[in-house]
Amino acid sequence: QKEVEQDPGPLSVPEGAIVSLNCTYSNSAFQYFMWYRQYSRKGPELLMYTYSSGNKEDGRFTAQVDKSSKYISLFIRDSQPSDSATYLCAMSGQGGKLIFGQGTELSVKP
Amino acid sequence: KAGVTQTPRYLIKTRGQQVTLSCSPISGHRSVSWYQQTPGQGLQFLFEYFSETQRNKGNFPGRFSGRQFSNSRSEMNVSTLELGDSALYLCASSLGTTGSLKQDGYTFGSGTRLTVV
Repeated sequence: QKEVEQDPGPLSVPEGAIVSLNCTYSNSAFQYFMWYRQYSRKGPELLMYTYSSGNKEDGRFTAQVDKSSKYISLFIRDSQPSDSATYLCAMSGQGGKLIFGQGTELSVKP
Repeated sequence: KAGVTQTPRYLIKTRGQQVTLSCSPISGHRSVSWYQQTPGQGLQFLFEYFSETQRNKGNFPGRFSGRQFSNSRSEMNVSTLELGDSALYLCASSLGTTGSLKQDGYTFGSGTRLTVV
């Protein structure tokens, strides 16, 4: 079993929809949680960063961490075609080594 | 501010050769990590350097090595290349201290795409 599980999709939604992306993990030592967006042939771009449990909001993006359930989520409101990309969750314990999910490929149709 | 710079962007090598990839972190960042990304395995951690010392290491064979210089720039070397080493190699930088991780996370470069033929 992988330390971090993420549904690879692909996920296709119409423009304006609310998108929900999720990851589960098994290592209770993880305390740093990140979401990255990766466009084709580009490096991952940090979208959201959360330390420990709780919610964090930035514009159309909301990240949630539930450490008791070992479950993290990323919500995208009013999705746009430019949001079409692969979304990767990543997490770390004391730092220095990120463990990534497989990535979810998202397509937002106009 | 300038981002993480990786050179070269693309590289084609033949089996058995060796290759050196370079990464210049964001100014002021002292931690540099390397990752391998393939369609089958996703992103996998290779190693992390902080202040010229290897601080963490992933589960890759000894053919994969790295180093960090006093200006925080890092190089990664792969010797005796195999076809399976074809991948996107990504470098990530951060301030590197535990306290800073609560604020900044890791910033990635665009990667070096290595093709082994």
